Amino acid sequence: DTAVSQTPKYLVTQMGNDKSIKCEQNLGHDTMYWYKQDSKKFLKIMFSYNNKELIINETVPNRFSPKSPDKAHLNLHINSLELGDSAVYFCASSQDRHSQPQHFGDGTRLSIL
Amino acid sequence: GDSVTQMEGPVTLSEEAFLTINCTYTATGYPSLFWYVQYPGEGLQLLLKATKADDKGSNKGFEATYRKETTSFHLEKGSVQVSDSAVYFCALRTAGNKLTFGGGTRVLVKP
Repeated sequence: DTAVSQTPKYLVTQMGNDKSIKCEQNLGHDTMYWYKQDSKKFLKIMFSYNNKELIINETVPNRFSPKSPDKAHLNLHINSLELGDSAVYFCASSQDRHSQPQHFGDGTRLSIL
Repeated sequence: GDSVTQMEGPVTLSEEAFLTINCTYTATGYPSLFWYVQYPGEGLQLLLKATKADDKGSNKGFEATYRKETTSFHLEKGSVQVSDSAVYFCALRTAGNKLTFGGGTRVLVKP
């Protein structure tokens, strides 16, 4: 019955590879987000989608490409992975683009070797 | 731009001690303010919120009051338990419904 679920929970890969992280929410929310949490626990928003439409796109390398096939899913694809991409990535959702709170998934820990 | 500053941790204290985590913010207008908690290996959970000046948010024994004059939203709990060990994040809601987070404060409660 997890509200916001992310897969995989852990991802270990080598520099230069391409990987995807999937996120699904079963809350019926319209808006979804991706956040990056670095090793010092600093948390920063990357993207937000509202009903499959991109509404927030922070200063993120274009190697990162979000995709929302429907409003319940927001996936994050990362090309040409770099050491600095090592972090925990959190997906979140909210009722709509104006509402709080945001509900977070448990995170995906990405480690680049 | 909008920003949140909170005290660095870790904060280590004994069970039943009083906990305060300071949080100050810089923002235009009057943003909504939040405290989120992150338990080990989990995502963030909303702990409490306040939407306007002088509002007090409270939940699970935690409280925080929105102080416009000092641009602060300090988190307090009168008697902590081991189960309160976690990382606490202060956040404000900015334009576009984005959450801007502070750097997090790790709290460790020892029995």
